[in-house]
Amino acid sequence: EAQVTQNPRYLITVTGKKLTVTCSQNMNHEYMSWYRQDPGLGLRQIYYSMNVEVTDKGDVPEGYKVSRKEKRNFPLILESPSPNQTSLYFCASSFTRQGFPQHFGDGTRLSIL
Amino acid sequence: AQTVTQSQPEMSVQEAETVTLSCTYDTSENNYYLFWYKQPPSRQMILVIRQEAYKQQNATENRFSVNFQKAAKSFSLKISDSQLGDTAMYFCAFVRSNYQLIWGAGTKLIIKP
Repeated sequence: EAQVTQNPRYLITVTGKKLTVTCSQNMNHEYMSWYRQDPGLGLRQIYYSMNVEVTDKGDVPEGYKVSRKEKRNFPLILESPSPNQTSLYFCASSFTRQGFPQHFGDGTRLSIL
Repeated sequence: AQTVTQSQPEMSVQEAETVTLSCTYDTSENNYYLFWYKQPPSRQMILVIRQEAYKQQNATENRFSVNFQKAAKSFSLKISDSQLGDTAMYFCAFVRSNYQLIWGAGTKLIIKP
C-alpha cells in the first residue's frame, strides 16, 4: 500500500528540547516536502527536497532543519523548539515529474509549551 | 507576491445540492498548475482535482468539476449531488515553477442531512 508515514502523530514538549519528526514514503518518490498548518492561514511550506541530498527552503524555514540522506526518509528537525512552532505538520511526497504533492502523511500535532 | 484567496470561510448546504467554492489567485507566471485539496475531519489531505493553466478545458473528476477563468485568475470548485462524506475543509492551491505550493486559507464545507 502506498504510504507516507509520519511519527509521532502527537507530541507535547517544552521549549528548547530538540525534537525530530520522521517522515517515510514507500513509493520511491523523488520529491518530498514539509508543511505546517495553522488556523486561518492554510498550509505553508517549510522545506522541500527534489531528491537525495537536495533540499531547499520553503516559505517558513526559520527554526527548522531537514535532511535527505535516503530517498525514502525526510525528517524535520526542531533544534530549539519555541511555542510559535506549535502547529499541525504534514509531510508529502510525489514523483518530481508531477510537480505537486500527491500523497500526504496523516499529520503530526506538535504542542510546544 | 503570489497569493491564493478563498473568500468563503464556511459554507453549508443540504445533501444532494450543488455547491460552488470560490478561489482567486495572483501570479505573474504563465504556466502553472492549480489544485483543490480536501481535508476531512480525519485531517488527511486528499487531492481532489487539478488543472493545468495551459489547458482551456475545465477539469472534471466524477462529481467534482472546476470553472477555470485564467484571465480573471479564478478557479472555483463545483460539487454536484453533494454527499455527507463531502464535509471537509477545502483548500485551493497553485504550484510555482519551482514546485512550491501556495495555499489558500481554506473553506469549511458542511453537508447537512
